[in-house]
Amino acid sequence: GDSVTQMEGPVTLSEEAFLTINCTYTATGYPSLFWYVQYPGEGLQLLLKATKADDKGSNKGFEATYRKETTSFHLEKGSVQVSDSAVYFCALSEIPGNKLTFGGGTRVLVKP
Amino acid sequence: GAVVSQHPSRVICKSGTSVKIECRSLDFQATTMFWYRQFPKQSLMLMATSNEGSKATYEQGVEKDKFLINHASLTLSTLTVTSAHPEDSSFYICSARGVSTEAFFGQGTRLTVV
Repeated sequence: GDSVTQMEGPVTLSEEAFLTINCTYTATGYPSLFWYVQYPGEGLQLLLKATKADDKGSNKGFEATYRKETTSFHLEKGSVQVSDSAVYFCALSEIPGNKLTFGGGTRVLVKP
Repeated sequence: GAVVSQHPSRVICKSGTSVKIECRSLDFQATTMFWYRQFPKQSLMLMATSNEGSKATYEQGVEKDKFLINHASLTLSTLTVTSAHPEDSSFYICSARGVSTEAFFGQGTRLTVV
């Protein structure tokens, strides 16, 4: 079955540091890939997505590129802020709009 | 993006009672709704998928008689946790999608059973 593996946290960074969260996946077909963010006490918000190989999703300074050859979708941000402290989930969906398979989540803490 | 409203955001109930959680799509018709459960410091696990007017499809290991899902209209789905026990304490999140939209998530409901 489908699965998503992402690096375990917590990841603790200083403000303006570079952030990378690794995500790899296994799927039978050609899934769409997503990054969701969950701020404390809130639900999930879609951060970015990519629907086919070599697509780059970007939003709020975050980027991730769909790498089919390495089955990866690593999340990056060049300069994090305290407000980026949250839990980040990598996810895939075999069929657009269908159920999502999530990774375990990575907690990121950015200190001033 | 579209808005999905989940209510209540927090609920505390006594063991043995039932709790209903509502999930509403406010500005689109949700043909499909998904219910997820999130254990502390863990990822989200899909519990069930419901299509409007049809019975929900439950994931393996999820008790359909304990977690009753109703999707009677295109804007509302409910999850009822029946005869709740402390081990049912968790964060429950719904997501909804329309015919040609991506899935949008509600704010989640933190259930505590005492």
